[in-house]
Amino acid sequence: GQNIDQPTEMTATEGAIVQINCTYQTSGFNGLFWYQQHAGEAPTFLSYNVLDGLEEKGRFSSFLSRSKGYSYLLLKELQMKDSASYLCAVKLHQAGTALIFGKGTTLSVSS
Amino acid sequence: KAGVTQTPRYLIKTRGQQVTLSCSPISGHRSVSWYQQTPGQGLQFLFEYFSETQRNKGNFPGRFSGRQFSNSRSEMNVSTLELGDSALYLCASSLETEDTQYFGPGTRLTVL
Repeated sequence: GQNIDQPTEMTATEGAIVQINCTYQTSGFNGLFWYQQHAGEAPTFLSYNVLDGLEEKGRFSSFLSRSKGYSYLLLKELQMKDSASYLCAVKLHQAGTALIFGKGTTLSVSS
Repeated sequence: KAGVTQTPRYLIKTRGQQVTLSCSPISGHRSVSWYQQTPGQGLQFLFEYFSETQRNKGNFPGRFSGRQFSNSRSEMNVSTLELGDSALYLCASSLETEDTQYFGPGTRLTVL
């Protein structure tokens, strides 16, 4: 079976740093995605890791360890608009773009 | 470039009916995937189409089906609707050689 775990909820304050963890046990692995989804809106792409290491993109960074089945999304200088659900997803197959998603982490940023 | 569009945005049906949802991918994108999103299960993969062929399929009953047309537009059909089919149905498109999927706004289906 496929299993992707993320914390259900997290809270943080404006200007802080937050790390959202994701662990996975899947039958295949061809990369890990992070998406952001605001309430009532479509998921939007944040990052894609296929090799071990850290990928930095502005205030957001994503890390992957394939040997540990572990990834995290790091959000710096938090803003109120970062309040959203963050979805971790694994691409199972080399061919095709099918993703297996975790249930998401709802992040609430307060002032 | 226009994003992924889905129609209709909202739909109300009764048990036993069938429904067809439509998705137009980003221009030039040839892969279209469908997902079901519910509060309890999160986002679950339904199927993926590429060049009018189903490339991957998730773990859903045969009541869920789809197709893709030569212009890459895709439709999904759910027959004999059940209450549990109430969900947000999301379509995502991607380029042939690029892994990143871009999601549409979804169709909110309510089954009464």
